[in-house]
Amino acid sequence: GAVVSQHPSRVICKSGTSVKIECRSLDFQATTMFWYRQFPKQSLMLMATSNEGSKATYEQGVEKDKFLINHASLTLSTLTVTSAHPEDSSFYICSARRLARLNEQFFGPGTRLTVL
Amino acid sequence: KQEVTQIPAALSVPEGENLVLNCSFTDSAIYNLQWFRQDPGKGLTSLLLIQSSQREQTSGRLNASLDKSSGRSTLYIAASQPGDSATYLCAVRQAWEWGGSEKLVFGKGTKLTVNP
Repeated sequence: GAVVSQHPSRVICKSGTSVKIECRSLDFQATTMFWYRQFPKQSLMLMATSNEGSKATYEQGVEKDKFLINHASLTLSTLTVTSAHPEDSSFYICSARRLARLNEQFFGPGTRLTVL
Repeated sequence: KQEVTQIPAALSVPEGENLVLNCSFTDSAIYNLQWFRQDPGKGLTSLLLIQSSQREQTSGRLNASLDKSSGRSTLYIAASQPGDSATYLCAVRQAWEWGGSEKLVFGKGTKLTVNP
């Protein structure tokens, strides 16, 4: 149990376009979802936290107008990178926490974004 | 601000060797500590979670210890195998500095290579 999926696994886009990444909790309801970004040989950095039906809370230094997060249901959260630039190229990982086990997070397989 | 450090950054051992990975954190006010495994280009797999009130957790050939007062944790891997080759990440769960939901703070990881 506690499986989190992401789609797509890889995406290549042109500079200036927008890209949407989906995160789904497959077999549980996620009260909270988290979005992380990981640059090569670096740790995971939390970008934002979202609760179903409410606005996401962004970490310091993360532009909320550039990284749009929607948590429309208890099983789906989306991250949209708007007007992507090459420096947005990174590995994006989502994570979900379920109501029954609030102290544990389950991670998706990640999405590799390359902006040309 | 919480900082998580993992030493060494990389480790190469022959198959069958027992090994220890180290994790330290600067703020001991944590809820729990979690060890993850990350394979190249993949998401995170949770290995062990230690609550702040616990001293250790075991799963198969893995044993994780926690000394909250000194801000240290170790992950012990017994009889290492080539399939153990991956990056191992340590993360602590703590409250946000200004209150609200807690979050995970990650170290940069230790890249382990087990040679056959």
